[in-house]
Amino acid sequence: GAVVSQHPSRVICKSGTSVKIECRSLDFQATTMFWYRQFPKQSLMLMATSNEGSKATYEQGVEKDKFLINHASLTLSTLTVTSAHPEDSSFYICSASRRVRTDTQYFGPGTRLTVL
Amino acid sequence: DQQVKQNSPSLSVQEGRISILNCDYTNSMFDYFLWYKKYPAEGPTFLISISSIKDKNEDGRFTVFLNKSAKHLSLHIVPSQPGDSAVYFCASSDSNFGNEKLTFGTGTRLTIIP
Repeated sequence: GAVVSQHPSRVICKSGTSVKIECRSLDFQATTMFWYRQFPKQSLMLMATSNEGSKATYEQGVEKDKFLINHASLTLSTLTVTSAHPEDSSFYICSASRRVRTDTQYFGPGTRLTVL
Repeated sequence: DQQVKQNSPSLSVQEGRISILNCDYTNSMFDYFLWYKKYPAEGPTFLISISSIKDKNEDGRFTVFLNKSAKHLSLHIVPSQPGDSAVYFCASSDSNFGNEKLTFGTGTRLTIIP
């Protein structure tokens, strides 16, 4: 149990376009979902936390207008990178937890975004 | 500012021996610590955790030790098996945020040599 999927696994796009990444909890209801970014040889960095039906909470330094997060249901959260630029190229990974604050985070396999 | 550090990017251990992965943290507010394991093309999976009220937690072949005064934790795997070959991340959080705001290290790639 506790499987999280992400789609797509890889995406290449042109500079200036927008890209949507989906994160789904397949066999449980995710009260909270998290979005991370990982640059090469660096650690996973939390970008934002979202609870179903409410606005996401963004970490310091993360532009909420650039990284749009929607958590419309208990099994789906989406991250849209708007007007992507080459510096947005990174590995984006989501996680989900069943209960607020106390549950283990279950991670998706990640999405490799390359912006040309 | 890297608040959680894994200074060894890689480690090779003979099968059957003990693997010891180390992690240091700088934020004294951290009081909950986790280890995650990651295989290629998969997301990290939770392995074991420890809260700051303990100095040791054991789960089968995996034991995590916490030295609060040194702000250091380690993961021991014994005996090491080929399936343990993966990247291991340590993560820390402040219980004021529950399990929500995890700060990760950069990971250590463990290779078990048959």
